[in-house]
Amino acid sequence: AQTVTQSQPEMSVQEAETVTLSCTYDTSENNYYLFWYKQPPSRQMILVIRQEAYKQQNATENRFSVNFQKAAKSFSLKISDSQLGDTAMYFCAFMKQYNDMRFGAGTRLTVKP
Amino acid sequence: DADVTQTPRNRITKTGKRIMLECSQTKGHDRMYWYRQDPGLGLRLIYYSFDVKDINKGEISDGYSVSRQAQAKFSLSLESAIPNQTALYFCATQSKKTSGVADTQYFGPGTRLTVL
Repeated sequence: AQTVTQSQPEMSVQEAETVTLSCTYDTSENNYYLFWYKQPPSRQMILVIRQEAYKQQNATENRFSVNFQKAAKSFSLKISDSQLGDTAMYFCAFMKQYNDMRFGAGTRLTVKP
Repeated sequence: DADVTQTPRNRITKTGKRIMLECSQTKGHDRMYWYRQDPGLGLRLIYYSFDVKDINKGEISDGYSVSRQAQAKFSLSLESAIPNQTALYFCATQSKKTSGVADTQYFGPGTRLTVL
């Protein structure tokens, strides 16, 4: 079974600084997908970024980027120029081809003014 | 209007009561999922459906049942609610891509259920 581990239960960062959230996963699959979801206090699950395992290039979405290390089974999220609105729970998730998602336990990020 | 809606948004019920959580989507997606979120555990899959006639158990299906009434509707039932089913419940949808690349899952706003 696939497992997803987020080793940082809580993190904080000063506004405008950069922060990196860690995620590791365990799988024997070669074709899969990785995601970061954001859950603000409104509790809505919002997709931040996704990465296809067959793509070597790291995904980026504006201030959000990932460092995908397939051999190491690592998928970290970097948030640049942190904003107060980035305060939220962040979940890393793994999905096999056409299958269900497995989520990590989450990292609570607080952006301080 | 939201693409994935859940009703109710909040519900308080008593032990032993039957309760149904409903999910509707206007995205036209074939696949629908029910997840449960508990503090410190992330989201865990309860049931999923790849089309109206296809229902599958997830990681934690005991104590739950589902019904896929139509492509757009997927309901989760707790036949006899118990306090440890107090949690945040999410519905999600996903399209069935034919290009070989899986689609992202899109989540509803969640239902906060409290069982006293």
